[in-house]
Amino acid sequence: GAVVSQHPSRVICKSGTSVKIECRSLDFQATTMFWYRQFPKKSLMLMATSNEGSKATYEQGVEKDKFLINHASLTLSTLTVTSAHPEDSSFYICSASWGPIVSGWEQFFGPGTRLTVL
Amino acid sequence: AQSVTQLGSHVSVSEGALVLLRCNYSSSVPPYLFWYVQYPNQGLQLLLKYTTGATLVKGINGFEAEFKKSETSFHLTKPSAHMSDAAEYFCAVRAGGFKTIFGAGTRLFVKA
Repeated sequence: GAVVSQHPSRVICKSGTSVKIECRSLDFQATTMFWYRQFPKKSLMLMATSNEGSKATYEQGVEKDKFLINHASLTLSTLTVTSAHPEDSSFYICSASWGPIVSGWEQFFGPGTRLTVL
Repeated sequence: AQSVTQLGSHVSVSEGALVLLRCNYSSSVPPYLFWYVQYPNQGLQLLLKYTTGATLVKGINGFEAEFKKSETSFHLTKPSAHMSDAAEYFCAVRAGGFKTIFGAGTRLFVKA
């Protein structure tokens, strides 16, 4: 149980275009979803936290207008990279939690999406 | 604020040898501590976690970790390394909030 999927797994796009990445919790309702960015050989950097039906909370330094996050349902969150540039190329990972994360409930991670902007 | 320090960005062991990956944390409140493993181009998989109770935590694939409050440590160990253990390992801390802070990661190499 507790599977999180991401689509697509890899995407290549041209500079200036927008790319949407989907994150789905397949067998549970995710009250909270998180989006991370991982640079090569680096740790995960939290970009934003989203609760279903609410606006996402972005971390300092993350451009809200560049990285649009929507958490429209308890099983789906999307990250849209708008007007992508080569520096946006990265590995994007989502995770989902079904319960209050402060009480130690587990985060389940998706397999990641490799974005390459040419 | 909480933070995590993983000592050693790379650790190399021989197959069958003890694996020890070090993690120290900083937190002003009792933390939840985690170890995750990441294989190339994949997401993170939870190995084990400490929330409350027993300080020696056993996880999957023969890994275990011990929470030592006095040393603010949560080192990951495995008695005998296997080739399939070669991966990136992340220690993480969550304390008093919704945010999980990850360490920089330690890449484990296993030599035949």
